[in-house]
Amino acid sequence: GENVEQHPSTLSVQEGDSAVIKCTYSDSASNYFPWYKQELGKRPQLIIDIRSNVGEKKDQRIAVTLNKTAKHFSLHITETQPEDSAVYFCAASLSSGTYKYIFGTGTRLKVLA
Amino acid sequence: NAGVTQTPKFQVLKTGQSMTLQCAQDMNHNSMYWYRQDPGMGLRLIYYSASEGTTDKGEVPNGYNVSRLNKREFSLRLESAAPSQTSVYFCASSEAGMGTEAFFGQGTRLTVV
Repeated sequence: GENVEQHPSTLSVQEGDSAVIKCTYSDSASNYFPWYKQELGKRPQLIIDIRSNVGEKKDQRIAVTLNKTAKHFSLHITETQPEDSAVYFCAASLSSGTYKYIFGTGTRLKVLA
Repeated sequence: NAGVTQTPKFQVLKTGQSMTLQCAQDMNHNSMYWYRQDPGMGLRLIYYSASEGTTDKGEVPNGYNVSRLNKREFSLRLESAAPSQTSVYFCASSEAGMGTEAFFGQGTRLTVV
């Protein structure tokens, strides 16, 4: 069945440093890969996504890269700020048929001031 | 625009009691989902509905039932609650199609004692 593995489970960085979170998916038919940020006590919200026909996408300080051959994708946050502290989830989705999203187990990012 | 609305926000049940979690979206989305979130386990898919009139099991369906009442509403029922069902439950919706964002409700914190 579909599976998404996410590493690391926790990550601490100094303010201003970069953070990288990695995910691996099992279903080669997956073709949509969103990243969600969840602040304490709140709902997950989309921060960036990438489709399988694109290798990299950037939005200001965040970027996502996708390697379809290796079936892994990564979230990169540069110049981290205290407000980046949250739990980040990757997900993989088939965009034909069922449209369901399978999530990774999450990474708790702490940005130390 | 309310987005995805879940009720209730908090609930305490005794073992063996039943209850229904309600979810409604006003974005005219075709697909709806129920996830549970447990520490260290990420977001696990319980059931989903790709379109009105269809429902399918996700990763952890045991002990739950769902009803897609109409295009707007998707309810989750616990017939006989167990302590293992203590969790935060999130409803989400998305537009069917080529990889689209899933929007989450605010969550329901359920405790089974």
